[in-house]
Amino acid sequence: QSALTQPASVSGSPGQSITISCTGTSRDVGSYNLVSWYQQHPGKVPKLMIYEDTKRPSGVSNRFSGSKSGNTASLTISGLQTEDEADYYCFSYAGGSNFEFGGGTKLTVL
Amino acid sequence: QVQLVQSGAEVKKPGDSVKLSCKASGYSFTSYYIHWVRQAPGQGLEWMGIINPSVGTTNYAQNFQGRVTMTRDTSTSTLYMDLSSLISDDAAVYYCARAGRGGATTNFDYWGQGTLVTVSS
Repeated sequence: QSALTQPASVSGSPGQSITISCTGTSRDVGSYNLVSWYQQHPGKVPKLMIYEDTKRPSGVSNRFSGSKSGNTASLTISGLQTEDEADYYCFSYAGGSNFEFGGGTKLTVL
Repeated sequence: QVQLVQSGAEVKKPGDSVKLSCKASGYSFTSYYIHWVRQAPGQGLEWMGIINPSVGTTNYAQNFQGRVTMTRDTSTSTLYMDLSSLISDDAAVYYCARAGRGGATTNFDYWGQGTLVTVSS
């Protein structure tokens, strides 16, 4: 069981927006602005999409955005495209040089 | 260019140990923390631990404490991850990943290609 809770799956149609939640606790997500989001296509290495809760690395589409409220971080993908279909993982600092992943969310673009 | 090149696939028996390597190049080896992450077949990402290549300090996930050892060789810019007392559940792809500057950063900007470890009697 992962320390961070994500929905197992979400789906949306092309052009729609979806949001993936990542719920932690006051000792991890709620204490630090250090949640990242990774996209992983089958058989591929994970790719950083969002870091420090809301920042987007250069080269990542602005259709991807991050937010946080209390102990829950969220990844929103707007204008869904077929290539967005992938697994998404949140990752948070938990203090004391400890880190944790969420269980992952499978995004299906219908 | 920044590269993390991992060692090749391993086949081990239950109870064995495995030592994986991750050779870094294209950047200042001692300036960036390295994490180890694994992914069992069809499963999610699991954080294993972190090493500061500058001084060699480490911190391991509770699930692996007592079984994992992360080291580095600054002369060859290579990181190592040793996992002992292997069981079938340790079968996974193991990744090394470079974190941004600072020990608490969660943004992995470069990943190794992964090493497949098979555990079978």
